[in-house]
Amino acid sequence: QVQLVHSGAEVRNPGASVTISCKASGYTFTSYFIHWVRQAPGQGLEWMGIINPVTGRTTYAQNFQGRVTMTRDTSTSTVYMDLSSLRSEDTAVYSCARDPRGYNNYYFDYWGQGTLVTVSS
Amino acid sequence: QSVLTQPPSVSAAPGQKVTISCSGSSSNIGKNYVSWYLQVPGTAPKLLIYDTDKRPSGIPDRFSGSKSGTSAALDITGLQTGDEADYYCGTWDSSLSAVLFGGGTTLAVL
Repeated sequence: QVQLVHSGAEVRNPGASVTISCKASGYTFTSYFIHWVRQAPGQGLEWMGIINPVTGRTTYAQNFQGRVTMTRDTSTSTVYMDLSSLRSEDTAVYSCARDPRGYNNYYFDYWGQGTLVTVSS
Repeated sequence: QSVLTQPPSVSAAPGQKVTISCSGSSSNIGKNYVSWYLQVPGTAPKLLIYDTDKRPSGIPDRFSGSKSGTSAALDITGLQTGDEADYYCGTWDSSLSAVLFGGGTTLAVL
């Protein structure tokens, strides 16, 4: 069965960076794009960007331009999301989600359980 | 503040029907497909509807999606207590080149 398994919770000081991983299994990793979506406590969903697992090409949401980097390792079927210059407003659950389409009109058929990132001094 | 507008909450009795609306604009819902997700707090979102009105396998036909102009709707019939959750709409915005989500609607089955 399709699974997207995240790395564990992280705590960072303001100004630091964090890297989260999402390991895919149960399907051909290079056949589906992966997106990152975050959800602050008690808030809605916010799209962060997408990565092409074949080429590694990325597209980032404007709100995160310059602070986010998404990469992938095809040998381990893992995608990574690095977020820098963290501030308290970045406290959220960060989730990867699989995209069956890969171009505009995206939708997400499987989601990881998410990684809680807490930014606090 | 979300670009897609959903009512914060809706409620209905078991067995009844409820409609959750999602209002956008000509650059998002007006020209692109809509998807809907169910999220039980503390768990990952689950896909309910994609391409505006299509159901993934395993989703009962009690759930249906539609769109008119710049607004979309999710209908849930035969409500069950197990349907209590948060519901989110999502779509692509062609002007922003970004995926947008609604703010979410909490469904209470009273």
